[in-house]
Amino acid sequence: SQKIEQNSEALNIQEGKTATLTCNYTNYSPAYLQWYRQDPGRGPVFLLLIRENEKEKRKERLKVTFDTTLKQSLFHITASQPADSATYLCVTGFQKLVFGTGTRLLVSP
Amino acid sequence: DTAVSQTPKYLVTQMGNDKSIKCEQNLGHDTMYWYKQDSKKFLKIMFSYNNKELIINETVPNRFSPKSPDKAHLNLHINSLELGDSAVYFCASSQGDRESSYGYTFGSGTRLTVV
Repeated sequence: SQKIEQNSEALNIQEGKTATLTCNYTNYSPAYLQWYRQDPGRGPVFLLLIRENEKEKRKERLKVTFDTTLKQSLFHITASQPADSATYLCVTGFQKLVFGTGTRLLVSP
Repeated sequence: DTAVSQTPKYLVTQMGNDKSIKCEQNLGHDTMYWYKQDSKKFLKIMFSYNNKELIINETVPNRFSPKSPDKAHLNLHINSLELGDSAVYFCASSQGDRESSYGYTFGSGTRLTVV
């Protein structure tokens, strides 16, 4: 079955640095991956979708990469701000979404 | 102007009761979902409806019954509530028959606590 793995430990970084979150997948080859942000008490919010034939996707300070050889997607936030503190979820699947456990990012001033 | 709204936001009830959670989307999407987020924050799909038709029904106890009166609404009714049903329930919607660059839109969740 599809399995998404994210580092369950929180990532602590200083404001202004680049945050890099990792998503690894096993047992299948997804055609695309999605990244969502979830704040406490709120629902997930869609950020980016990257397809298997796209090595990289950017949106403002966000960048996502997709390495089908390593079976991995990296999610980068450049010039991080305290407002970027949240849990970031790597997601696969169509209609029946399969979520990773998420990585909590804490950006300190 | 909330895109996916669900009510109530909080629901505290006793074991054995029957309760409903309502969801409405104003995005014109044709597919709606219910997801459950457990105490470990893991999100898992329960049901999906496309144009009022059930298309995904994961291994969920039949005490849970979704109802879609129209494609803008998907309600979740739970009978004989148990302690293990305590979780956050999210409604979501999406458009199209293939993956979208706009992703899925989630509601803000209903925290159900069974005592």
